[in-house]
Amino acid sequence: DIVLTQSPATLSVTPGDSVSLSCRASQSISNNLHWYQQKSHESPRLLIKYASQSISGIPSRFSGSGSGTDFTLSINSVETEDFGMYFCQQSNSWPQLTFGAGTKLELK
Amino acid sequence: DVKLVESGGGLVKLGGSLKLSCAASGFTFSSYYMSWVRQTPEKRLELVAAINSNGGSTYYPDTVKGRFTISRDNAKNTLYLQMSSLKSEDTALYYCAKRGMTFYAMDYWGQGTSVTVSS
Repeated sequence: DIVLTQSPATLSVTPGDSVSLSCRASQSISNNLHWYQQKSHESPRLLIKYASQSISGIPSRFSGSGSGTDFTLSINSVETEDFGMYFCQQSNSWPQLTFGAGTKLELK
Repeated sequence: DVKLVESGGGLVKLGGSLKLSCAASGFTFSSYYMSWVRQTPEKRLELVAAINSNGGSTYYPDTVKGRFTISRDNAKNTLYLQMSSLKSEDTALYYCAKRGMTFYAMDYWGQGTSVTVSS
């Protein structure tokens, strides 16, 4: 199985900060990497597909980059509504897809 | 609007069985690949079953293979997950999720139904 390692586990920030969340794959997965946001007591929501492709309705402050084994989700100027968990998911071996353990974005 | 509503979760004894349902609306259900994804108490996400649009192809990871069965009724716009020989590690919130038409990510998720396996 392809293992996704997310770092850091927790990121404490102040609204207005710009942040980067990392997701590293155990083997090359090209750009078959997607990002989800999960707020407290809500279901996951798709933020970015195929490493850098935007999703309709998602604020433009969210962007993704990377290919191969190293990927980054960037949030430009964090807002209070952005606090929660962020997960990456690979689809390179569909349907054997796997998720990372998540990064918790919290208020400092 | 796309809507996915899960039901059927609950408290079940070790070794017991449970059947989850997911009622879909707001899209052409019969055209989409569907999945069940669970979230453990530790917040980990795991795909436990997936099924193609006509139900002819299914996938299960080794952790549930032989114990879980995914199915769908396209006439009723409903997805199912039959779970048997339940273990304590199956305790989780179970989400029904719709895959994108042309991409391999889940673009819509239900609100989840909770399954607790106790001894």
